[in-house]
Amino acid sequence: TQLLEQSPQFLSIQEGENLTVYCNSSSVFSSLQWYRQEPGEGPVLLVTVVTGGEVKKLKRLTFQFGDARKDSSLHITAAQPGDTGLYLCAGEEMEYGNKLVFGAGTILRVKS
Amino acid sequence: DAGITQSPRYKITETGRQVTLMCHQTWSHSYMFWYRQDLGHGLRLIYYSAAADITDKGEVPDGYVVSRSKTENFPLTLESATRSQTSVYFCASSDGYSPRPQHFGDGTRLSIL
Repeated sequence: TQLLEQSPQFLSIQEGENLTVYCNSSSVFSSLQWYRQEPGEGPVLLVTVVTGGEVKKLKRLTFQFGDARKDSSLHITAAQPGDTGLYLCAGEEMEYGNKLVFGAGTILRVKS
Repeated sequence: DAGITQSPRYKITETGRQVTLMCHQTWSHSYMFWYRQDLGHGLRLIYYSAAADITDKGEVPDGYVVSRSKTENFPLTLESATRSQTSVYFCASSDGYSPRPQHFGDGTRLSIL
């Protein structure tokens, strides 16, 4: 099973600050997906990146897939309290089809 | 409403008991998955299924049994529950076309005393 290391594990920042979450692996993935999870609920897909070097923007969130498709980052500009939650990256394995490998997650707390 | 539903949402049981967690999806997705979520470990795959009557082990399958007689249902059974199986369990589904984002239920919080 491929491994996906996610960092940092925990972030506590003030409203208006910027932040970046990283996901790194030594393995290549077919795609990299980012999910957000709130307490008492299941993860919800934010974005999928497929092509090496791809950048996708979702309002104040910017997602990037590494050129070699081994790593990804999530950058949030001007964080707001509503961004608080658990962010999970997940890599789609190339060989075994449709299985996702999840990072351990980043707990983000944005204080007003 | 279309979606994926898990039941029960909360369950407390004792060691040695058999317990079954239910998962039902209305999208006719071919793939279904069971994960457990524990602090510090993220989501770990227990079992998955590519279609009815096709199941395969994930990362942490020991102590669990699954079946999939119908496309829409994917129950997970703990045959003899142990305290180490206390966790939050999530079911997910996806279609068969890459990339295949997964749609998750809201989870079952299981406590084994």
